[in-house]
Amino acid sequence: DAKTTQPPSMDCAEGRAANLPCNHSTISGNEYVYWYRQIHSQGPQYIIHGLKNNETNEMASLIITEDRKSSTLILPHATLRDTAVYYCIVRAAGGSYIPTFGRGTSLIVHP
Amino acid sequence: EPEVTQTPSHQVTQMGQEVILRCVPISNHLYFYWYRQILGQKVEFLVSFYNNEISEKSEIFDDQFSVERPDGSNFTLKIRSTKLEDSAMYFCASTPEGGRGYGYTFGSGTRLTVV
Repeated sequence: DAKTTQPPSMDCAEGRAANLPCNHSTISGNEYVYWYRQIHSQGPQYIIHGLKNNETNEMASLIITEDRKSSTLILPHATLRDTAVYYCIVRAAGGSYIPTFGRGTSLIVHP
Repeated sequence: EPEVTQTPSHQVTQMGQEVILRCVPISNHLYFYWYRQILGQKVEFLVSFYNNEISEKSEIFDDQFSVERPDGSNFTLKIRSTKLEDSAMYFCASTPEGGRGYGYTFGSGTRLTVV
């Protein structure tokens, strides 16, 4: 698998931006970066994905470095409901597009 | 917003019994998946299903497991003879197309407890 490295935990004040980093230095040129999150005991939730360009949707923004070796998920105004484990995933090697979940980053948003 | 629906939300079964976990994927999705998460551990891929057949499976998905799409809406995971270590959250997911351009939509899961 193309591997990702994320900090195990982060915290953020409510209303502030949460910037979650991810390293994926072995990513191949045609592999996408996906972000999911898992709120306690719920199913994972797709957030956003990108290939080269920065992306934005109603949930978050994704900034991918020019060399594609790292990315940052940005929650512009974090709320208490954004407390979750955030997973950065790249396409598995060998042709499978199936997401492989690591340990992710546990984000705690505090009042 | 369309949802993936899983039933039951909780199931308790005795070791050695068969269980069937049910999922209704999003109606226009074509690819279906089962994952599991043992308490405190990672979300693990079990199997993917497309065009009425398994397309990929992990080493966890042994002969005790099977999947089926018995009609146009349901997607089921059967565990033939449950073991204690099968206790986990089981998540169903679907996606409209199996490539890289789509996120997966996951259900809220079935908590299976084997006693």
